[in-house]
Amino acid sequence: GAVVSQHPSWVICKSGTSVKIECRSLDFQATTMFWYRQFPKQSLMLMATSNEGSKATYEQGVEKDKFLINHASLTLSTLTVTSAHPEDSSFYICSANGLAGGSYEQYFGPGTRLTVT
Amino acid sequence: GNSVTQMEGPVTLSEEAFLTINCTYTATGYPSLFWYVQYPGEGLQLLLKATKADDKGSNKGFEATYRKETTSFHLEKGSVQVSDSAVYFCALSGANNLFFGTGTRLTVIP
Repeated sequence: GAVVSQHPSWVICKSGTSVKIECRSLDFQATTMFWYRQFPKQSLMLMATSNEGSKATYEQGVEKDKFLINHASLTLSTLTVTSAHPEDSSFYICSANGLAGGSYEQYFGPGTRLTVT
Repeated sequence: GNSVTQMEGPVTLSEEAFLTINCTYTATGYPSLFWYVQYPGEGLQLLLKATKADDKGSNKGFEATYRKETTSFHLEKGSVQVSDSAVYFCALSGANNLFFGTGTRLTVIP
């Protein structure tokens, strides 16, 4: 099946620094990738939709200058959390649209745990 | 608009008990419906799906039927195991993305 990887799986950074998270589709091309944030009570929030070769579409309330998304190729999207603060600590999950059995499905990465100290 | 409502939980069951996690939805058009499972410390995995009314999705002993008349997609399993302990998300497909319920944490005790 289609596999999506994320790197790193966890990261600890100091307040004020920036952190980059990579999302890769390993065995398929993904024109569209999604970035989610999962809060402690487990609900998933869609942050943005990342389209290869164009600007990401951000959901209402998500700061595009703080959460920079770059989808430079059909297999890679990156999320950079700039000037991180403790409230940015969370579990970030990406997913990618891939073709399976004639229809598109979303395949999810394993997530990245970010802790800002 | 599109939205998914699922029972919040947490749900705690003894091994071999019967499981039902309720999910209802509102949608424009005819979406596909999904159940995803998240094991501790991991990302989401597709558990099962149904693409049209009256379809039944099934996998690993879990099943759910797409009920258009009641706008529901309840997840069921006849006999749960400790290894089924996880968070379960109901979702529906939008134009280009998924709409998720809030998730239901299931704990199965031996």
